[in-house]
Amino acid sequence: DTAVSQTPKYLVTQMGNDKSIKCEQNLGHDTMYWYKQDSKKFLKIMFSYNNKELIINETVPNRFSPKSPDKAHLNLHINSLELGDSAVYFCASSQEEAGNYGYTFGSGTRLTVV
Amino acid sequence: GDSVTQMEGPVTLSEEAFLTINCTYTATGYPSLFWYVQYPGEGLQLLLKATKADDKGSNKGFEATYRKETTSFHLEKGSVQVSDSAVYFCALSDWGQGAQKLVFGQGTRLTINP
Repeated sequence: DTAVSQTPKYLVTQMGNDKSIKCEQNLGHDTMYWYKQDSKKFLKIMFSYNNKELIINETVPNRFSPKSPDKAHLNLHINSLELGDSAVYFCASSQEEAGNYGYTFGSGTRLTVV
Repeated sequence: GDSVTQMEGPVTLSEEAFLTINCTYTATGYPSLFWYVQYPGEGLQLLLKATKADDKGSNKGFEATYRKETTSFHLEKGSVQVSDSAVYFCALSDWGQGAQKLVFGQGTRLTINP
């Protein structure tokens, strides 16, 4: 059983389009995250949800909107895609105290905007 | 905010060589420290962790010791294998916006030649 699963794995789309990435975890964790990994492998947090409530919102353009219908799911919707949005997006989950247990990551969604 | 700095890569070694990947951090509090590994095309996997000063994390022959006096968490392995080729990330847990998140270093690509 996959602990944190993301779909799709690859996404190629044109500038200006709107797309969504879905994430589900079956670990019973309370907290979920979206991270962006750029072409140089640098990872930066975008959002965090705890029990469906937004708790971290880093400096991310308003075109990015997360949605958590329940604590096992965290989706990411992106409007008006730009070339600079091309990256790998990772979903992750943790028990609330991430300091002790770390994160479990999904395998990533490679987004390419052309 | 808190930050993590890793040694620049890429690092290339021969099989059975000794590995050190340096990691230093800046933090206002007492974060937990982690090493994650990313194999090609996959998400990040937790390799080891340490939650307080002088703790040693270990897994799969890798070790790292939480050194508060030098603010370091260097990753070591006595004899590397080709299968250790991957990107390694050092990370710390940081509090921000009333919630905990992981802050990552820039990653170090490791290649082991047979």
